[in-house]
Amino acid sequence: TQLLEQSPQFLSIQEGENLTVYCNSSSVFSSLQWYRQEPGEGPVLLVTVVTGGEVKKLKRLTFQFGDARKDSSLHITAAQPGDTGLYLCAQVDNDMRFGAGTRLTVKP
Amino acid sequence: DAGVIQSPRHEVTEMGQEVTLRCKPISGHDYLFWYRQTMMRGLELLIYFNNNVPIDDSGMPEDRFSAKMPNASFSTLKIQPSEPRDSAVYFCASRDRGLNTEAFFGQGTRLTVV
Repeated sequence: TQLLEQSPQFLSIQEGENLTVYCNSSSVFSSLQWYRQEPGEGPVLLVTVVTGGEVKKLKRLTFQFGDARKDSSLHITAAQPGDTGLYLCAQVDNDMRFGAGTRLTVKP
Repeated sequence: DAGVIQSPRHEVTEMGQEVTLRCKPISGHDYLFWYRQTMMRGLELLIYFNNNVPIDDSGMPEDRFSAKMPNASFSTLKIQPSEPRDSAVYFCASRDRGLNTEAFFGQGTRLTVV
């Protein structure tokens, strides 16, 4: 079974700061997705990465997929309180399994 | 489409009782997933279906858990008998065919077993 590790587990920062969270796997990802989950809701897809070395941007969010397709990072520039939530990475194959997530709090 | 619909949103039951959670996936989606989320264990995959057929139920904790998908528009997750350690938020998600497509989640059922 592929193990997904996300770090840090918790992150609390001030509005305007930058941050990076990480997702690492014990084996190669087929493809990887990042989701964000807000309290009382289900996770919502942010991005899918498939190719090693791939970089995708979504407004202030930058996603990188490692060359060896065993790790990924999510960088947020100038974080805002609306970015608060649980950030989950998922390895995607026929099934879909998630890491434990990074719980981000952005204080105004 | 209204998205993935789960019911009930909240369920409180006594230990030993049977609990049935329901899910209506997005029309036309081929895959349906059931997850359990707790602070300790995160979002765990319990079972998933492809075209109404259970493909992998290795995440089902024990024989007290069972899941069915009698048709493309309905699935149930049943716990019998329920135990306090089953307390969690249970999510259903559906996805179209294709490995990189987006999974859409319901709002979850918060189960409390007392």
